[in-house]
Amino acid sequence: DIQMTQSPSTLSASVGDRVTITCRASQSISSWLAWYQQKPGNAPKLLIYKASSLESGVPSRFSGSGSGTEFTLTISSLQPDDFATYYCQQFNSPPWTFGQGTKVEIK
Amino acid sequence: QVQLVESGGGVVQPGGSLRLSCAASGFTFSSYGMHWVRQAPGKGLEWVALIRYDGSNKYYADSVKGRFTISRDNSKNTLYLQLNSLRAEDTAIYYCAKDPGLSSSSWHYFDYWGQGTLVTVSS
Repeated sequence: DIQMTQSPSTLSASVGDRVTITCRASQSISSWLAWYQQKPGNAPKLLIYKASSLESGVPSRFSGSGSGTEFTLTISSLQPDDFATYYCQQFNSPPWTFGQGTKVEIK
Repeated sequence: QVQLVESGGGVVQPGGSLRLSCAASGFTFSSYGMHWVRQAPGKGLEWVALIRYDGSNKYYADSVKGRFTISRDNSKNTLYLQLNSLRAEDTAIYYCAKDPGLSSSSWHYFDYWGQGTLVTVSS
């Protein structure tokens, strides 16, 4: 199985900050990576697919980059609605696995 | 708009069974692969199972293989997950999720999710 490791596990930031979350795969997954946002009590929401493609309706302050084994999710200017947990997921090969999550908290 | 509504969760004893349903609307259900993904309380996400658009192929996580069965009824726009031989570690919110790939072109990520149904395995 491909292991996905996110860092940091928790991130404290302020409104307006630029935030970067890293996701590393245990083997190359090309660009077959998605990012999700999950708020407490809610289902995950797709933000980014194929490493850097923004899902329709997602604000442009979210961006993704990377290929191979290292990927990043960047929020260019953190908004109050962005405090949540973020997950990466590889869809290169089954079983399709997720990172452990990164919680973005208010500083 | 796409809607996925799960039902069928509840409290069940270890070794018991449960059948989850996911009613789909707002898209051509019979044209898309569908997944189940679960989340243990306070934990991360775990992919559970995939069924192709026409039910021709099914895939399972090793943790549930031989115990869970995914199926679909395209005439009813409904996805199912039969859970047998349940264990305490199966306690989780179970989400159904749509694959964005049309017909045979599954992408294996998840563009729409239901709100989830909670399964608790406890004596």
